[in-house]
This record gives sequence, structure tokens and C-alpha cells, in this order.
Amino acid sequence: EPEVTQTPSHQVTQMGQEVILRCVPISNHLYFYWYRQILGQKVEFLVSFYNNEISEKSEIFDDQFSVERPDGSNFTLKIRSTKLEDSAMYFCASSEGEGREAFFGQGTRLTVV
Amino acid sequence: GESVGLHLPTLSVQEGDNSIINCAYSNSASDYFIWYKQESGKGPQFIIDIRSNMDKRQGQRVTVLLNKTVKHLSLQIAATQPGDSAVYFCAEGKAAGNKLTFGGGTRVLVKP
Repeated sequence: EPEVTQTPSHQVTQMGQEVILRCVPISNHLYFYWYRQILGQKVEFLVSFYNNEISEKSEIFDDQFSVERPDGSNFTLKIRSTKLEDSAMYFCASSEGEGREAFFGQGTRLTVV
Repeated sequence: GESVGLHLPTLSVQEGDNSIINCAYSNSASDYFIWYKQESGKGPQFIIDIRSNMDKRQGQRVTVLLNKTVKHLSLQIAATQPGDSAVYFCAEGKAAGNKLTFGGGTRVLVKP
């Protein structure tokens, strides 16, 4: 069964450093997303991406965040200068189209120290 | 994908019994609703969805009910099994944009 894959599974970084979280969405999907889940809290939307551009973003997704689809298979989330409060599970998801269910990856646990 | 939290409501159910998980949603303009299951260390896993123009949808061992009048969604799991132990989230979305808004989650513990 096709699945969304994310790497790494766990990333530890020092405050102020840049991190790149990587995702390979399901191959025939057209919409890509990043969500995050701070420990003990609900899953929060960060950004959606379609046709090589951001289609929607939340208040969390400020100038420190960026997304990119560098090739035909990868979808990345970059945090330019990490803060302690960026520590969370980051989930990538993809869907076939609008109004279709999103399939999530296993997540990357980001720990900022 | 931990969603452990002191404030998560918990439903304890005996193996073999039926489970009902409830969710109140906020946006009356949502076009669809999804139930996700999240096991410890994993990402949300799609269970079932329902469009806003429906009030019931059935899957394998699961049924979702939508009451738009009171903005309430429920997930019924028949003959609950140990593998059903997880945190369950409802999510609402709009067809345009595909952003999902998640609820706070309910932990289901299945007792043998």
C-alpha cells in the first residue's frame, strides 16, 4: 500500500540552527501538507502546497518556515532558525485532490535544545 | 506521533463491546469530516470520512454519524478489539484548500 514517508524520524538541533524535514508524498497525489503536534496537544495545520506553490498557510507558518518541492518526489519543510517552542512532531501528508482524505506520514520528532 | 496529554478524555471499553466516540465541531461551513486514529509513535491514520450532505456512513466495523443541527460527529466502533486502542481525532475540512482542523482527541483503552 502506498504511504507517505518522512525522514529523519527524530532530529535534535540546537536553538538557532536551521533544520530541513523531508517527505516523500504518495506518488499520484497532488496536494501536500505539513502539520505539527506539540506533545499533549492537537494536530495543527501549518501549510498546504499545490501546483508548486503554497495554497494556504496558518499563523504558525511565519517567515522562519518555508516549503519546497525540489524534485518530482520530495517535499521539504525548512525552519530557518529554530526556537525551543518549535519542538514538536511534524507530519507530512498528501491527498489526491481537493476534498479528498489526507494520508499522513509517521512524523519527524523535532527536539530543539 | 504521541498525543499523550493529561487532558485527553479517555474511553475505557471492554473487548467485544461497541465504542462510541464523540466530537463537537466548530465550522458549520465545513464540507467534510474525517476520523483519524493515532497509535503511539505513529502518524494519524485515516479511518472514515463523511461529506456534509450526509448524516451516516458505514465502513468495516465503523460507522460515522453527522448531526449538523448541533454540529456533532460520532464514531461507532463495533466489537472493539485490543488493536483499536489509540487516540481518535475528528477533523473537519473544506473542499477548497484542503486544510484540516483537528479536534482535541479521545483516548480509547480496550480492556481484555
